[in-house]
Amino acid sequence: EVQLVQSGAEVKMPGESLKISCRVSGYSFMNNWIAWVRQKPGKGLEWMGLIYPGDSDTRYSPSLQGRVTISADNSITTAYLQWSSVEASDTAMYYCARLVTGNTYYMDVWGAGTTVTVSS
Amino acid sequence: QSALTQPASMSASPGQSITVSCTGTNADIGPYPYVSWYQQHPGKAPKLIIHDVNVRPSGVSDRFAGSRSDKTASLTISGLQAEDEADYFCMSYTSNSVPVFGGGTRLTVL
Repeated sequence: EVQLVQSGAEVKMPGESLKISCRVSGYSFMNNWIAWVRQKPGKGLEWMGLIYPGDSDTRYSPSLQGRVTISADNSITTAYLQWSSVEASDTAMYYCARLVTGNTYYMDVWGAGTTVTVSS
Repeated sequence: QSALTQPASMSASPGQSITVSCTGTNADIGPYPYVSWYQQHPGKAPKLIIHDVNVRPSGVSDRFAGSRSDKTASLTISGLQAEDEADYFCMSYTSNSVPVFGGGTRLTVL
């Protein structure tokens, strides 16, 4: 069974660093893209970035303006999303999802999400 | 890349059919048959219900159907049931080799 297990809820103060994770099992981690998707309270889904663990090819949404870093550790089949300095506007639910590609393009399995709250 | 355009909300009665539209551009829906739809119930993660315009994953009800014409994709839900009340999001592949989502449609089953 394909599973994406995300790390627990986080509460941070503005300016703190943060790293959340997405542990994958049930399929070849290195040969599939992982997507990170943000959902602010009461809002829609926003694509943040993609990573292909096999070669660490990474794509970012232009709207993020370099505020986050996406990485992967193949030895533990885990993808990460990190901030060096969070802001109140980063308060949101963050989902990871497997992105299926190759004459197709869709996110078929999603993690349960990680809630991030940034408040002073 | 601007978000795809969806109606913010729609409503219908049980048993009726409803069609949710998703309008894009010549850089996303227009040239690529890679439109997917996701259903999201409150407090839950999104769930894939349609991919490649009109393909239902195993286990998804055949009351859900997708289509595409020019730069607009559509999701039709027939025989509406109370459990269909949810948010629906479309997504497309783009010419930048990245995805773009629609703004989402909140469906109310009256």
